[in-house]
Amino acid sequence: AQKVTQAQTEISVVEKEDVTLDCVYETRDTTYYLFWYKQPPSGELVFLIRRNSFDEQNEISGRYSWNFQKSTSSFNFTITASQVVDSAVYFCALSQVSNDYKLSFGAGTTVTVRA
Amino acid sequence: ETGVTQTPRHLVMGMTNKKSLKCEQHLGHNAMYWYKQSAKKPLELMFVYNFKEQTENNSVPSRFSPECPNSSHLFLHLHTLQPEDSALYLCASSLTTTDTQYFGPGTRLTVL
Repeated sequence: AQKVTQAQTEISVVEKEDVTLDCVYETRDTTYYLFWYKQPPSGELVFLIRRNSFDEQNEISGRYSWNFQKSTSSFNFTITASQVVDSAVYFCALSQVSNDYKLSFGAGTTVTVRA
Repeated sequence: ETGVTQTPRHLVMGMTNKKSLKCEQHLGHNAMYWYKQSAKKPLELMFVYNFKEQTENNSVPSRFSPECPNSSHLFLHLHTLQPEDSALYLCASSLTTTDTQYFGPGTRLTVL
């Protein structure tokens, strides 16, 4: 079985605040990949990051950072010093060998950054 | 990266119409996908093509008919749709089926 849970439906912050998006996944596979995508109002899903299950190093890219913890099956995403342009729906996704690497998406978290 | 394009961006059609959605990728990828995104629902995978061959049909009704003439183009032919088929239809591509998928901007479909 595989499942991705994004418990936060909506988050609203004021510009320059940090925001953390939670993602919890379920899998029985030892080989899997985790993803984050951003969907701005225009509709396109923009790829942000992919991590494999054997690499637990946290990653930072500009104002974005990701915390992967296998012990808690979590892959959380933090936006530091948020900006209005960060307003979007953010999706966490899982792909795994046993499901032919098809993407299984969470329900998404809507982030609204107010000026 | 704007390597995946979709046309039209918006489409309004009646239940008796026949229309087609087009997806084109300029990334040299070999796998292409159709997803449906309805309001308040997670993204649903519809079809997967790998090297022009369909490898996945996720129990999609026959009123949706995909076509993949080559690895760069993917179509979704629509006929006798229902109002509940109104959604954002997203196309994606990846180098192989194990690689990262890159998405197009989507077609917003409204069925009247």
